[in-house]
Amino acid sequence: GAGVSQSPSNKVTEKGKDVELRCDPISGHTALYWYRQSLGQGLEFLIYFQGNSAPDKSGLPSDRFSAERTGGSVSTLTIQRTQQEDSAVYLCASSLGGSGRGADTQYFGPGTRLTVL
Amino acid sequence: EDKVVQSPLSLVVHEGDTVTLNCSYEVTNFRSLLWYKQEKKAPTFLFMLTSSGIEKKSGRLSSILDKKELFSILNITATQTGDSAIYLCVRELTFGTGTRLTIIP
Repeated sequence: GAGVSQSPSNKVTEKGKDVELRCDPISGHTALYWYRQSLGQGLEFLIYFQGNSAPDKSGLPSDRFSAERTGGSVSTLTIQRTQQEDSAVYLCASSLGGSGRGADTQYFGPGTRLTVL
Repeated sequence: EDKVVQSPLSLVVHEGDTVTLNCSYEVTNFRSLLWYKQEKKAPTFLFMLTSSGIEKKSGRLSSILDKKELFSILNITATQTGDSAIYLCVRELTFGTGTRLTIIP
């Protein structure tokens, strides 16, 4: 079976534009996470989806960031009016879920490298 | 405060050496602490630790959790160049900044 996939792998955009990043989790995984990793930094939690429950958005840095998960599968992270400080690698991960947020093994996608000029 | 601190930040050793990577945290109530290896972009799973004092082993790698002293260690014996990577410790959704390990042939 396929692992977690993300698209695009690289995205270059101009400051002020909106971007959408896509994540396809492993089939059957009920939990989905978004993180970002700035150069030389650790992973920063953004948002967590578990099944049909309301997402945990506690890590979103501003209201320019939002995410959806349609049909319990594919997720889209949207960044509106991008700023240069949004430049980072955005990683998506999925897990079987059911053990609680972050409590089980997460399988990471290859990430999307976002560069805001 | 919900912090995960890893040390050292960077470590350079020769092939064949043994290394110990440290991870300390501050929150006492949690389900699991995990270790990941990040070579390029996607971290890959190494260990999940849920109980204190029980060592997990996988080949040359081993890890243990001490819930009383609030830390975990990751040991790598007989290091190889393929072990060069960033090693990440995570307590639920809080990641440490990682330890960058470089193995010199």
